[in-house]
Amino acid sequence: QKEVEQDPGPLSVPEGAIVSLNCTYSNSAFQYFMWYRQYSRKGPELLMYTYSSGNKEDGRFTAQVDKSSKYISLFIRDSQPSDSATYLCAMSQGFGNEKLTFGTGTRLTIIP
Amino acid sequence: DTAVSQTPKYLVTQMGNDKSIKCEQNLGHDTMYWYKQDSKKFLKIMFSYNNKELIINETVPNRFSPKSPDKAHLNLHINSLELGDSAVYFCASGARGQQETQYFGPGTRLLVL
Repeated sequence: QKEVEQDPGPLSVPEGAIVSLNCTYSNSAFQYFMWYRQYSRKGPELLMYTYSSGNKEDGRFTAQVDKSSKYISLFIRDSQPSDSATYLCAMSQGFGNEKLTFGTGTRLTIIP
Repeated sequence: DTAVSQTPKYLVTQMGNDKSIKCEQNLGHDTMYWYKQDSKKFLKIMFSYNNKELIINETVPNRFSPKSPDKAHLNLHINSLELGDSAVYFCASGARGQQETQYFGPGTRLLVL
């Protein structure tokens, strides 16, 4: 069983819809939670990060972490065709062990 | 003014050859990483260097040898290439203790024939 599980999709939604992306994890030592966006043939770019449990909002994006359930989510409101990409969740334990453990990524397509 | 750059972008080579991939960052970070992304897009860390010192080595075959001549550079040398080494290799850099600030390079697509 992988430390971080993520539905690979693909996921297709119409433009303007709310998108929900999720990851579950097994290592309770994870404290930092990140979402990366990766366009085709590009490197991952950091989208959101949160520390411990809670919500964080940035424009159309909201990241949620529920450490008690070992479950994290990324919501995209008013989705745009430019949001079409692979979304990777990533986690790390903290200072002294900063290596990122990634989910397998979810391929998202926003249909105009 | 690319933050993390890698060369080459594409690398096609025969089994058994030795090849190197170079990485440079101009962000002033003290930590650099190598990740491997397989054909299913799974991204996994290979190595991490902090101030030229190896701090993470994730059960990677010793055919892979990272070299960090200074804080801004982390190169990856691969000996005796195998078919299974075909993947995209990403370099990243970050500030120690600030894992939310890892920035990735554009990747090097390696194909071993």
